[in-house]
Amino acid sequence: QVTLKESGPVLVKPTETLTLTCTVSGFSLTNARLGVGWIRQPPGRAPEWLAHIFSNDVKSYNTSLRGRLTISKDTSKRQVVLTLTNMDPVDTATYYCVRVRGLATVMFDFWGQGALVTVSS
Amino acid sequence: DIQMTQSPSSVSASVGDRVTITCRASQAINSRLAWYQQKPGEAPKLLLYDASTLQTGVPSRFSGSGSGTDFTLTITSLQPEDFATYFCQQANAFRALTFGGGTKVEIK
Repeated sequence: QVTLKESGPVLVKPTETLTLTCTVSGFSLTNARLGVGWIRQPPGRAPEWLAHIFSNDVKSYNTSLRGRLTISKDTSKRQVVLTLTNMDPVDTATYYCVRVRGLATVMFDFWGQGALVTVSS
Repeated sequence: DIQMTQSPSSVSASVGDRVTITCRASQAINSRLAWYQQKPGEAPKLLLYDASTLQTGVPSRFSGSGSGTDFTLTITSLQPEDFATYFCQQANAFRALTFGGGTKVEIK
């Protein structure tokens, strides 16, 4: 059974750095055709892809976030970590950890339950 | 980035109706499109990928078509559990992965 679980703070202050951890089970982070990524969804709005990482450590980022994102993985811990610097109230959203499938065509076939992060002073 | 535009933004329908949702990409993406269903308080769920391939476990009343810039998601014989919001997603790995704005299917 594939599961992904997000953990991290529920409240961050403006200018702080958000660090979210995704712990996975039911699949291997060494599978060449699978990866793990992050998607966020502000309340009442569409999802926004942030980043993902594959087993060979190839990473892809949403460039609209202008270098604020970093994704990394610890295969031994079955964890993927996302950091987002210089948080702003507009970054308030539910952050989802997702399993990424495919190489040329990329889809998100399993999602975590999501973690609501609020940015406020 | 490739912009994904869905229409309509909402649709009212009855159980048993046929519903069609359209997604248009600002640039051609071959058949690299996925569709998701999201119910209130839940994470999105993958329905179809490669524009027309049904994800495992998804009922056959869901179907997708299209290629290039124009795509459709069709639900034949709408069921009570299908009332939800649907999103398309540009799935070309060599471009930014973007979602459409969503289409809410409501009970008439």
